[in-house]
Amino acid sequence: KNEVEQSPQNLTAQEGEFITINCSYSVGISALHWLQQHPGGGIVSLFMLSSGKKKHGRLIATINIQEKHSSLHITASHPRDSAVYICAVGESSGDKLTFGTGTRLAVRP
Amino acid sequence: DGGITQSPKYLFRKEGQNVTLSCEQNLNHDAMYWYRQDPGQGLRLIYYSQIVNDFQKGDIAEGYSVSREKKESFPLTVTSAQKNPTAFYLCASSSIARSYNEQFFGPGTRLTVL
Repeated sequence: KNEVEQSPQNLTAQEGEFITINCSYSVGISALHWLQQHPGGGIVSLFMLSSGKKKHGRLIATINIQEKHSSLHITASHPRDSAVYICAVGESSGDKLTFGTGTRLAVRP
Repeated sequence: DGGITQSPKYLFRKEGQNVTLSCEQNLNHDAMYWYRQDPGQGLRLIYYSQIVNDFQKGDIAEGYSVSREKKESFPLTVTSAQKNPTAFYLCASSSIARSYNEQFFGPGTRLTVL
């Protein structure tokens, strides 16, 4: 079973700061997902990647398959980015996902 | 709008009572999932279904039951056998035809057992 570790568990930043959240996993995967959970509890998918790098607005996700590591970056952070960010991995296409415990981000104005 | 609905958002029950959580999707997805989320823990899989009339146990199925009579619906029953049912429950769905298993989540139901 894949072990998914996220760091840090909690992160507080000032508005405008560059933020990095890390995710490492123990077993080779077919894809890694970054999810965002808002205080109300709903979860949205931010990225799904199997190699390289993806960018969407101020969010950037990278993955290093050899090192079994992914990072989520937020540039020019804003209070509306405050949420829990969750990393999840799937070991084969169509397989179930294994989730990390999440990183709670608070961005102060 | 396509999406996943869960109802109700908040649910209170007395200890010893069974309770059923609703999950409906209009995304035409084959697969549906139920997860439980507790503070400080990652989402844990309770049950999943990849096709109508078939479902499999996840990592923490004890004390729960599901049915999949229609493609759109995957209700979860929390039985009195579940030792610690108070938690946040999330339903998700995905298209098996698409690779990499991108899952779409519902808004969740927060169950409190008194």
